[in-house]
Amino acid sequence: DAGVIQSPRHEVTEMGQEVTLRCKPISGHDYLFWYRQTMMRGLELLIYFNNNVPIDDSGMPEDRFSAKMPNASFSTLKIQPSEPRDSAVYFCASSLIRQLYTGELFFGEGSRLTVL
Amino acid sequence: AQSVSQHNHHVILSEAASLELGCNYSYGGTVNLFWYVQYPGQHLQLLLKYFSGDPLVKGIKGFEAEFIKSKFSFNLRKPSVQWSDTAEYFCAVSPGNNAGNMLTFGGGTRLMVKP
Repeated sequence: DAGVIQSPRHEVTEMGQEVTLRCKPISGHDYLFWYRQTMMRGLELLIYFNNNVPIDDSGMPEDRFSAKMPNASFSTLKIQPSEPRDSAVYFCASSLIRQLYTGELFFGEGSRLTVL
Repeated sequence: AQSVSQHNHHVILSEAASLELGCNYSYGGTVNLFWYVQYPGQHLQLLLKYFSGDPLVKGIKGFEAEFIKSKFSFNLRKPSVQWSDTAEYFCAVSPGNNAGNMLTFGGGTRLMVKP
């Protein structure tokens, strides 16, 4: 049974470049979350979707960040233009409403972004 | 808004040593509490959770955590660690009426167990 799949696993880019991170949630899950992990701030919730609709994007740091979920099996997190302070590990997680009540999220392995 | 503090960023133990990882949260109302673990090269996974009832919660692999309401704490413990427990551990909290979609994580504690 495939878990949450993220790509790329590692990305190194230069400041000013556009970065696109991708996520395929577990089939049938109706919630999708994007988290960012840094040493300074830990794991922060950036945005989450329910049935492909963004519900809360208050964690998105600024307008350079955008996220979309065009269908139930795919989501992207885009940073344009990227800056060195965006360097972090970005996690995608998905869940079913039933599992959400128990607090269980299913995480991908993360995308490690380095912006030079 | 809730917040979570994990004061130990790095912990190094020898096998068979006892483990206690601290977690303190701040939130004025009822909370749900969680510990997630990320083993090297793997994704985060739920280790244990507390919603209500017995404040001592037992999870997988011999881990347990105790909710002490008066101290706003949910420390993770294991009596005797193994090399395979090497991982990063995250404490998380959510408001009592909203378990999963408003999870707030702590900064994580990286545990290394020496064989």
